Amino acid sequence: DAKTTQPNSMESNEEEPVHLPCNHSTISGTDYIHWYRQLPSQGPEYVIHGLTSNVNNRMASLAIAEDRKSSTLILHRATLRDAAVYYCILEGGAGGTSYGKLTFGQGTILTVHP
Amino acid sequence: NAGVMQNPRHLVRRRGQEARLRCSPMKGHSHVYWYRQLPEEGLKFMVYLQKENIIDESGMPKERFSAEFPKEGPSILRIQQVVRGDSAAYFCASSPSSGSVHEQFFGPGTRLTVL
Repeated sequence: DAKTTQPNSMESNEEEPVHLPCNHSTISGTDYIHWYRQLPSQGPEYVIHGLTSNVNNRMASLAIAEDRKSSTLILHRATLRDAAVYYCILEGGAGGTSYGKLTFGQGTILTVHP
Repeated sequence: NAGVMQNPRHLVRRRGQEARLRCSPMKGHSHVYWYRQLPEEGLKFMVYLQKENIIDESGMPKERFSAEFPKEGPSILRIQQVVRGDSAAYFCASSPSSGSVHEQFFGPGTRLTVL
């Protein structure tokens, strides 16, 4: 599986936007970019995923660089409930041999201050 | 639509005993993944199953660990002769199909403590 690099930690203030970066310079043409988050003492939770185009959903936006070697997860207005570990994961897509299994790295610990 | 259910939520076993962890996927999901999270570490893939079939067990230890997903009933992760190093949080996730076009829905986990 292609490797991703994320900062160990980031901090934000409540109600401010948060931009969580992820580098994936060895991404292949069929790799999807997934973001999951894990709140304390809970299972991971899907946030968003994309392939080439930027994506928006009710939770966040995903901005993908034109060369796909990096991406940014954007939380438009951070709340205290957004404090979690955020994982950026590459996955080989339908028809690949990874069968959808997710390879989690260390992620970014997001702290949100009131 | 109930989410992924795992039970028990907490399990305590003594060394040498067996641990059985259950996972009921979301309704309509026939794909189950098991992950393990050791203390202070990230989540690691263990095994991927479809109904009655193990598709990928590349992340599962060769000995003492087994998994099944029968035609009826929950998926079971079984750990025989547990050791202290098996203490971890075990998460299962379900998906309506394999491949990244579908998100994985995770359960709350089973926290196994081996005394």
